[in-house]
Amino acid sequence: DTGVSQDPRHKITKRGQNVTFRCDPISEHNRLYWYRQTLGQGPEFLTYFQNEAQLEKSRLLSDRFSAERPKGSFSTLEIQRTEQGDSAMYLCASSLVSGRAADTQYFGPGTRLTVL
Amino acid sequence: GENVEQHPSTLSVQEGDSAVIKCTYSDSASNYFPWYKQELGKRPQLIIDIRSNVGEKKDQRIAVTLNKTAKHFSLHITETQPEDSAVYFCAAVSGNTPLVFGKGTRLSVIA
Repeated sequence: DTGVSQDPRHKITKRGQNVTFRCDPISEHNRLYWYRQTLGQGPEFLTYFQNEAQLEKSRLLSDRFSAERPKGSFSTLEIQRTEQGDSAMYLCASSLVSGRAADTQYFGPGTRLTVL
Repeated sequence: GENVEQHPSTLSVQEGDSAVIKCTYSDSASNYFPWYKQELGKRPQLIIDIRSNVGEKKDQRIAVTLNKTAKHFSLHITETQPEDSAVYFCAAVSGNTPLVFGKGTRLSVIA
């Protein structure tokens, strides 16, 4: 499967614990996005990388959240001191940006986080 | 920033009928408009997209129209089938900025 993959697919944790999710993009894609989706809503942008550089962070991304893409390939999203409000589906998407045209994003299957 | 509104939130159609979902956007600089289909528990999948230099695009039973002046775009599904049942999301983006999604339309195709 050459699509975007995410691990784990499901994570249940207790409030206050730290969690880390991984995303592996399509191999030649230079851009990687993280989104959060809650029930009945569309995906909401969190942050994105072009190669290893983190170019933008949403105001939704509190200081408990941190993301990395150290070698410009896979990315990790860490949530520290989880809260019940962090329960959501965390989606990763990747794209190949060329020039100034908007890029087509392909999504991974998501990691469903449940904070008890 | 961009704001995307999507209507209706739910839509039920009889199998074989057409379904239309409409979205409006606020940023006149937006130039790329994808549509994603999301089945329960699965990833959003791109089904069709349109760029601002065209007014309509068609792919078999699916078509998208764009009215830049009015800042709205629509998804049209003809000859609906039960497997078309899913949540559909529209999105808009300007240049190399992140996608802004609508809240989704739950389409039910009744056999």
